[in-house]
Amino acid sequence: GQNIDQPTEMTATEGAIVQINCTYQTSGFNGLFWYQQHAGEAPTFLSYNVLDGLEEKGRFSSFLSRSKGYSYLLLKELQMKDSASYLCAVSRDDYKLSFGAGTTVTVRA
Amino acid sequence: DTAVSQTPKYLVTQMGNDKSIKCEQNLGHDTMYWYKQDSKKFLKIMFSYNNKELIINETVPNRFSPKSPDKAHLNLHINSLELGDSAVYFCASSQDRVTGGNQPQHFGDGTRLSIL
Repeated sequence: GQNIDQPTEMTATEGAIVQINCTYQTSGFNGLFWYQQHAGEAPTFLSYNVLDGLEEKGRFSSFLSRSKGYSYLLLKELQMKDSASYLCAVSRDDYKLSFGAGTTVTVRA
Repeated sequence: DTAVSQTPKYLVTQMGNDKSIKCEQNLGHDTMYWYKQDSKKFLKIMFSYNNKELIINETVPNRFSPKSPDKAHLNLHINSLELGDSAVYFCASSQDRVTGGNQPQHFGDGTRLSIL
């Protein structure tokens, strides 16, 4: 199996930057996904990392270090609509996707 | 024009009943999934089908039976519902893993199952 740890909650101010960390332990690592889930809605895909380094997509960036079993999602220029749960999900070489419990981000005005 | 649609959105029923949840995707994907999200918000994989073939079957009570009549549909039938089955059930789909590599999954809006 795999252990996936991410903080339960984070709060930040509109316009600020927030970094959500995710650590994992797994066999057969085959990539890491980040999903966003607004309350009562479906998870939606944000980013995918399989190689070490930073992937940037507009205001959102995701980083991966395979040797450290570590990833982070960076949210810049926070907006109120970014208030949501952010799920770290680890993919194995059998393509099973295991999700962390999610980090609830609250953006305050 | 919804990509992954599942019905019903809400399902309230009594313990011991049998119910089904339907899922359809119009993305042309080959792989479909069922997940359970409990009150602690953990999303756990239950089943996955690739081109109508069962490829992932996690430790799930055999009261849960998936059925895939074609690659665009994956239904979930649950027999003898129990209180612990109360959760949100998400259907998802993705492109074929063999030809497309590791692809993001697209989720339906979820079915909120409440057992009385």
